[in-house]
Amino acid sequence: DAKTTQPPSMDCAEGRAANLPCNHSTISGNEYVYWYRQIHSQGPQYIIHGLKNNETNEMASLIITEDRKSSTLILPHATLRDTAVYYCIVRSSNTGKLIFGQGTTLQVKP
Amino acid sequence: GAGVSQSPSNKVTEKGKDVELRCDPISGHTALYWYRQSLGQGLEFLIYFQGNSAPDKSGLPSDRFSAERTGGSVSTLTIQRTQQEDSAVYLCASSPPRRDADYEQYFGPGTRLTVT
Repeated sequence: DAKTTQPPSMDCAEGRAANLPCNHSTISGNEYVYWYRQIHSQGPQYIIHGLKNNETNEMASLIITEDRKSSTLILPHATLRDTAVYYCIVRSSNTGKLIFGQGTTLQVKP
Repeated sequence: GAGVSQSPSNKVTEKGKDVELRCDPISGHTALYWYRQSLGQGLEFLIYFQGNSAPDKSGLPSDRFSAERTGGSVSTLTIQRTQQEDSAVYLCASSPPRRDADYEQYFGPGTRLTVT
C-alpha cells in the first residue's frame, strides 16, 4: 500500500472549514484514498473515501487532485466535537486491511 | 442497530499468562479485522478474515499471537505468554460483503490490555 504523509497537527476555529491535506505521491491506479478519524479513547470512525472523483457525504468532502498524488479532507463547519486524529489511508482494492500512519491531530478551538 | 462489540473492555494480566480477547462483529459482516494501538501510537494491523478465505496474518508480531473466527462470526484473539510490550488497546473491526472495494470498516470500542 502507498505511504501517506500528513501534517502532525492543525488548529481550526469553531464554525470555520477545516482543510486537512494528505500526500500520497506513490499511489497506484487501483488504490483508494480513505479517511478515518479517532476521537480520544474511541475506535476509529470511517469518514469518506474516493478513487478519482471528488466525493461528498454528510460528514465531509474529499478533494483528490487530478494526478491523484494528494487529497484534502474538508470539514465544512468544524465543531468542537470534530477534535480528533484524522488518518488518511491509501488502500488497494485487493485487500481489506488498513495501514494507519500517524495522522493529523485536529484541534478545533472556540 | 448493534455495532461491533468487544470483551472484556479492560484486562490486566501478569507477564507470562495467556489472554483471550473476544470480538462480536456486526451481523452479516463478512470481513473481520484486528488491530492494536499502543499508547500514543497509530493503529497497527494484526490479522484479517474475509469470508471463508485463508486469513491474512501478515501483521501478527510473533507466534505468540493467534486468532480464530468461528462460524464466520465471532473472533477470538489469543496472546500466549504475554509480555509487557503487548500492553495496548486491541481493536476489532468488521465490514459488510465486498462490492468492489467500496466498503468501510466499523470499529469496536477496543480492549485495553495491561501486562504487569
